[in-house]
Amino acid sequence: KNQVEQSPQSLIILEGKNCTLQCNYTVSPFSNLRWYKQDTGRGPVSLTIMTFSENTKSNGRYTATLDADTKQSSLHITASQLSDSASYICVVSRNTPLVFGKGTRLSVIA
Amino acid sequence: DTEVTQTPKHLVMGMTNKKSLKCEQHMGHRAMYWYKQKAKKPPELMFVYSYEKLSINESVPSRFSPECPNSSLLNLHLHALQPEDSALYLCASSQGGPQYFGPGTRLLVL
Repeated sequence: KNQVEQSPQSLIILEGKNCTLQCNYTVSPFSNLRWYKQDTGRGPVSLTIMTFSENTKSNGRYTATLDADTKQSSLHITASQLSDSASYICVVSRNTPLVFGKGTRLSVIA
Repeated sequence: DTEVTQTPKHLVMGMTNKKSLKCEQHMGHRAMYWYKQKAKKPPELMFVYSYEKLSINESVPSRFSPECPNSSLLNLHLHALQPEDSALYLCASSQGGPQYFGPGTRLLVL
């Protein structure tokens, strides 16, 4: 069964701290893995996209890693800001349709 | 222009009303999508259009009727909806890469 599991379900951190979100998947065949940020009531915004051969990709303070052998990915956020408060969704593509994780709800507090 | 626009932002309708959601992109993407998202849940795929033809219908009730008038526009016609259809409706587009999501239409069915 094609599934994407994310952990933790929710996370609260202090402003300026780092955090790491996890994503495990069983999707096959695998095309690429994407991390999206979704603010409440808004559409998801793409942060990174990685193919099978890529191990890491950065976008500013966001760094995603991918281990295609263990089918695990992580999203590391450095020096968190209040504006990082959002849901972070891991999405695995095997063409269409995409397989969405349930997301990690991140709250950054002052 | 890397934006997907959706109108209206908010919509309140009765169960006997007929309304339409609109989506537009000018990125030259030939795949367009409708998703439904309930609170604290990941988006659920409803329809996929590829080169202006409906390619995927994820067993969506007939009270939702998609239309793709041209390569830049995607509509979702609503008729005789139920209160449980209240959700955030997201449009997305892609062309071989990540899906770009619009901001969504928040729909409330009374």
